[in-house]
Amino acid sequence: QVQLQESGPGLVKPSGTLSLTCAVFGGSISSSNWWSWVRQPPGKGLEWIGEIYDSGSTNYNPSLKSRVTISVDKSKNQFSLKLGSVTAADTAVYYCARLGGSTGAFDIWGQGTMVTVSS
Amino acid sequence: SSELTQDPAVSVALGQTVRITCQGDSLRSYYASWYQQKPGQAPVVVTYGKNNRPSGIPDRFSGSSSGNTASLTITGAQAEDEADYYCNSRDSSGNHRVFGGGTKLTVL
Repeated sequence: QVQLQESGPGLVKPSGTLSLTCAVFGGSISSSNWWSWVRQPPGKGLEWIGEIYDSGSTNYNPSLKSRVTISVDKSKNQFSLKLGSVTAADTAVYYCARLGGSTGAFDIWGQGTMVTVSS
Repeated sequence: SSELTQDPAVSVALGQTVRITCQGDSLRSYYASWYQQKPGQAPVVVTYGKNNRPSGIPDRFSGSSSGNTASLTITGAQAEDEADYYCNSRDSSGNHRVFGGGTKLTVL
């Protein structure tokens, strides 16, 4: 059974870069699925950040595109998120999720990691 | 602003049926998936596609779509169904995913 695990700093300074990694366990990242990042500010709704295929093809939320990079490392079976020029508005729980190729839905989620932007 | 619109809050009496809706132009072309999120937990998909449920999701959850509206129906709501529910689909361009703003379901 595939499981996802986010990791990275829980505190980032304003104007800095938020960097997170999602490790894939129990399956291969090269499995015809899209791998996504989703975030949720405290007390607010879900926001899709972007996605990557194992080929390296990416799609990003237009509102975040100028600041976001998602990459994949097949050798480590993981994918990563970088969000630059962060502000307090980027404080959120960040989830990684698999968009199942056969379902077209986010069928597997990580447990989420809280990232706070503060000096 | 979200391209998918949901009512912020809905309530239902225990054991009754409730429908949660999601509106957006892209839903004329793409199916929605629905997610249940309880406090402090990651979302869980409850329906996807035309009307599919992952294994382990009770059959009281069903999905449907008509025109620009996708719906999640809970037939015989239980206390444990009290949660936030989000729809997700593609945006009008088809290249990006988008979530609705979420609906808080209260079971009375």
